Amino acid sequence: EDQVTQSPEALRLQEGESSSLNCSYTVSGLRGLFWYRQDPGKGPEFLFTLYSAGEEKEKERLKATLTKKESFLHITAPKPEDSATYLCAVQAASNYQLIWGAGTKLIIKP
Amino acid sequence: NAGVTQTPKFQVLKTGQSMTLQCAQDMNHNSMYWYRQDPGMGLRLIYYSASEGTTDKGEVPNGYNVSRLNKREFSLRLESAAPSQTSVYFCASSASTGSSYEQFFGPGTRLTVL
Repeated sequence: EDQVTQSPEALRLQEGESSSLNCSYTVSGLRGLFWYRQDPGKGPEFLFTLYSAGEEKEKERLKATLTKKESFLHITAPKPEDSATYLCAVQAASNYQLIWGAGTKLIIKP
Repeated sequence: NAGVTQTPKFQVLKTGQSMTLQCAQDMNHNSMYWYRQDPGMGLRLIYYSASEGTTDKGEVPNGYNVSRLNKREFSLRLESAAPSQTSVYFCASSASTGSSYEQFFGPGTRLTVL
């Protein structure tokens, strides 16, 4: 069964304290892995798509990496405005539906 | 350029009542989706429309119907609401259903069924 697990469920950091969020996946053939950001009361906002193991993408303080079993979202020197829930989703090669993780709630304290 | 819009933003229903959630996109996208989001769970796909004139069931279609009215609009109907349908509903669109095309989400509809 295709599955996505995100950890931790919640993460509290001080401003400037770097860390990583994890997305573990089990899928029969990966078509793509997606990272989204969701602010309270709003819809998810697209961040990155990764397609193959070893691929990396960066945007400001965020860097996403991919292996054959998991993806990491690294946050370097975070600011309070980085506080949000970060969602991971995978698309299997067998169909077009995205399978979503439950998300990691990130809180950055000033 | 509004992106994806949804109406209403909030709704309270009594068990057995019906309602339609509206969604429209102005990005000329071919594919549209309806998801529900519940606490502690990932987004779950209810129905999707890969292109105008087609609709397909997702992971949790029971109790829902959809209509792809035209290329811009995709509505979700609850014929007889149940408390288990209390959730936040998101509409999304993408240029196509492939992995190269990110999904753009609307602001959501928060539905409570009493």
